[in-house]
Amino acid sequence: QKEVEQDPGPLSVPEGAIVSLNCTYSNSAFQYFMWYRQYSRKGPELLMYTYSSGNKEDGRFTAQVDKSSKYISLFIRDSQPSDSATYLCAMTDSWGKLQFGAGTQVVVTP
Amino acid sequence: DAGVIQSPRHEVTEMGQEVTLRCKPISGHDYLFWYRQTMMRGLELLIYFNNNVPIDDSGMPEDRFSAKMPNASFSTLKIQPSEPRDSAVYFCASSRATESYNEQFFGPGTRLTVL
Repeated sequence: QKEVEQDPGPLSVPEGAIVSLNCTYSNSAFQYFMWYRQYSRKGPELLMYTYSSGNKEDGRFTAQVDKSSKYISLFIRDSQPSDSATYLCAMTDSWGKLQFGAGTQVVVTP
Repeated sequence: DAGVIQSPRHEVTEMGQEVTLRCKPISGHDYLFWYRQTMMRGLELLIYFNNNVPIDDSGMPEDRFSAKMPNASFSTLKIQPSEPRDSAVYFCASSRATESYNEQFFGPGTRLTVL
């Protein structure tokens, strides 16, 4: 079983809808949680970072971490066609090595 | 500032040939990572370096794969001999040690096709 599980999608939503993404994990030592966004034929880029549990908001993006349930989420409000990409969760228990989820492909239709 | 630079961007080769992928990390970064991405297995860490020293190569699939970092501004990933199952996108990423988290900056990737 993988340490990080993420539904690969695709997830198709109409423009303006809320996109909800999530990952589950098994390693209770993870304490740094990240979301990377990857456009087609590009490298991943960091979108959001959260340390330990709680919520973090950045514009239209909200990241949530529930360590008791080993569950993290990313919400995108007022989704735009430019949000169409693959979103990868990533996490680590210490500095250095990241454990990535499989990535969820999101398609926002005009 | 230039980001992580990878070359070549595309590589098509025949089974059995040697393949060398190149990476130039962001100046001042002291960590360098090599990843492989496929549809089946997602993004996998192959090896990473700290200050040019390999720290963890447990993700290197087999002896056909080797990586070097002769200096702070250059790294190579070599596959010899290459096989069709090595076809994937190979990413290099770099980061800088800070007191907080490790933000990795990815290059554009090298798309490798082994026929």
